[in-house]
Amino acid sequence: AQKITQTQPGMFVQEKEAVTLDCTYDTSDPSYGLFWYKQPSSGEMIFLIYQGSYDQQNATEGRYSLNFQKARKSANLVISASQLGDSAMYFCAMREGSGGYNKLIFGAGTRLAVHP
Amino acid sequence: KAGVTQTPRYLIKTRGQQVTLSCSPISGHRSVSWYQQTPGQGLQFLFEYFSETQRNKGNFPGRFSGRQFSNSRSEMNVSTLELGDSALYLCASSDGTSGGDEQFFGPGTRLTVL
Repeated sequence: AQKITQTQPGMFVQEKEAVTLDCTYDTSDPSYGLFWYKQPSSGEMIFLIYQGSYDQQNATEGRYSLNFQKARKSANLVISASQLGDSAMYFCAMREGSGGYNKLIFGAGTRLAVHP
Repeated sequence: KAGVTQTPRYLIKTRGQQVTLSCSPISGHRSVSWYQQTPGQGLQFLFEYFSETQRNKGNFPGRFSGRQFSNSRSEMNVSTLELGDSALYLCASSDGTSGGDEQFFGPGTRLTVL
C-alpha cells in the first residue's frame, strides 16, 4: 500500500509568490516523522523541514513551513516568497516508529518550476 | 564539518558484473542508509547500517548487500548486475539514536549498466 502520496507531479509559481506542495500519508503507527527534501538537478537530496507526529506546533524553517493536519494525515509544504533557486524536485518522506531507525518512505515527488 | 561523500560519482558497468559503492558519513554519525532512485520506481530504501550492524532492510534481492566498517564508512555491493540496476544510489548519514534526527544525503553515485 502506498504510504506517501504526492498528487502534484508538477507545479509552477511566479517568483516571490507562495506555493503549497501537497503530501498525504498513511500509517497506523502513532509515532512517526515526516520530512521534506529538495533535490536539484545535481541529484543531492537537501533536507528542508521535519515534523514529528507528537509535535504540537507546525514546523517552520526560514521560508519553509509545514502545514501538519494530523486528522487528515496531510503534511503540506509551504514555500513563501519563492526564488528562482527553488526550482527543483521536492519529496515528502515518512519514517515510522521511533528509536532512531532510519528507513524513509518517499513519495513520488513534485517538480516545482519558479518563473521570473 | 565535511558532508557525506560518495565514491565514485559515476560508474558504467556491463550486465553480469559486480560493483562496489562507497559512502563516508559525516564525522560522528553512526547510521548509514542506502537508497536507490530510478525514474520508474522513485526512491526506495535498500538498507541501513548502525554501528557495523544491519538494522533495517528494504525489499531488494540478495544481489544487493552492504557492510559498515568500524569508522562508520559503508560500502554497498551489487552482484550480477542487471540493466534494471541502472540508478542513482544515494547514501544518507545520521546520528541514528533519535527518532527525529535528520538524514544528510551524499551527492550520489550514478550507475549505468549496459
